[in-house]
Amino acid sequence: SQTIHQWPATLVQPVGSPLSLECTVEGTSNPNLYWYRQAAGRGLQLLFYSVGIGQISSEVPQNLSASRPQDRQFILSSKKLLLSDSGFYLCAWTGTGRHEQFFGPGTRLTVL
Amino acid sequence: QKEVEQDPGPLSVPEGAIVSLNCTYSNSAFQYFMWYRQYSRKGPELLMYTYSSGNKEDGRFTAQVDKSSKYISLFIRDSQPSDSATYLCAMGTGGYNKLIFGAGTRLAVHP
Repeated sequence: SQTIHQWPATLVQPVGSPLSLECTVEGTSNPNLYWYRQAAGRGLQLLFYSVGIGQISSEVPQNLSASRPQDRQFILSSKKLLLSDSGFYLCAWTGTGRHEQFFGPGTRLTVL
Repeated sequence: QKEVEQDPGPLSVPEGAIVSLNCTYSNSAFQYFMWYRQYSRKGPELLMYTYSSGNKEDGRFTAQVDKSSKYISLFIRDSQPSDSATYLCAMGTGGYNKLIFGAGTRLAVHP
């Protein structure tokens, strides 16, 4: 069966520090991968999606970036965090030809 | 106008009640629809997926889609305290499977 992992689970970072969040999927190959951010009490905002290694599409211009160095690995990064980057970051995957997205456990980021 | 509107609640019901959760949307290009359940501080969990108008049932859950009215619903029968969570509707048009989410409805089922 397929599983999706995210780490770390919780992160507290100072303003201006770098960020690296990692997501890995097991049990499938060539998934579409997604990064979402969920602000408190709000819906999910799509940040990036990837249909293959090295292929990244950005949905919202901001100081975040994403990379996909391996088929089942998706990384969200920032060089300098802003207060507004605080939130709950979720990684999701979907299989080729499928529509259903499956989410990881999330990373709660607090920028102070 | 948002593409997807969902009443944030909170919705409080007694155990055993029938719960109705709803979303409206404005984009007639949406082809498929999902409902997710999200417990506090957890990732969303897929409950229901449907791509056609009508009803789809899975246990105590029924998803209803009315494309002519641009309206979807999730019904929960015999609600339990363990159903207390935020319910998110989501829908997509097919391009790279990008989903548009509602803001979520917070549900509390009290014993």
